[in-house]
Amino acid sequence: DQQVKQNSPSLSVQEGRISILNCDYTNSMFDYFLWYKKYPAEGPTFLISISSIKDKNEDGRFTVFLNKSAKHLSLHIVPSQPGDSAVYFCAATGGSGNTPLVFGKGTRLSVIA
Amino acid sequence: NAGVTQTPKFRVLKTGQSMTLLCAQDMNHEYMYWYRQDPGMGLRLIHYSVGEGTTAKGEVPDGYNVSRLKKQNFLLGLESAAPSQTSVYFCASSSVRTGRDEQYFGPGTRLTVT
Repeated sequence: DQQVKQNSPSLSVQEGRISILNCDYTNSMFDYFLWYKKYPAEGPTFLISISSIKDKNEDGRFTVFLNKSAKHLSLHIVPSQPGDSAVYFCAATGGSGNTPLVFGKGTRLSVIA
Repeated sequence: NAGVTQTPKFRVLKTGQSMTLLCAQDMNHEYMYWYRQDPGMGLRLIHYSVGEGTTAKGEVPDGYNVSRLKKQNFLLGLESAAPSQTSVYFCASSSVRTGRDEQYFGPGTRLTVT
């Protein structure tokens, strides 16, 4: 049973427009959420995170929104650039003890120039 | 500062052969992890370690063994490779100081078992 779900395998967006990547989770014990970005033939790299005590975290063009009641988070990229084309993974953890990250299956974003 | 490195980058094995994947990190991180990535499956945790000399099972541990004899190294072993173990393997590490959650990944090892 998937605890972290990214229901859109792929997304295409025009350069300069907003990209919105979505993630849902089922485990109510999760209290820390992260987004990772992965280019082909490279390892994932950390992008942005959010704690459950917040509902928004912003870092430059990247903003993550958390809706705890809906168990839903989203990553907004504004404006989207061709270099943002990559696979984005959502991850979650209980945030305490030795609970490892649980990853979603990823969404492939293509930003079209 | 090389971060997280993995050896080898590519490997082809025949069914039944054994091999060891080596992960090394130079960031003095306490935690280390092994994942596998398969098409449409995301990243699945195989084993992890919260410190030198300790290991724990992840989501998909069967067919793999690990060892963490030194803080900077985490080895993943396949004793008898099977075609189902064809995958891309990623090692990661994180620090208890900056947050166990922000993991740093290596470049991956692409393994094919024929």
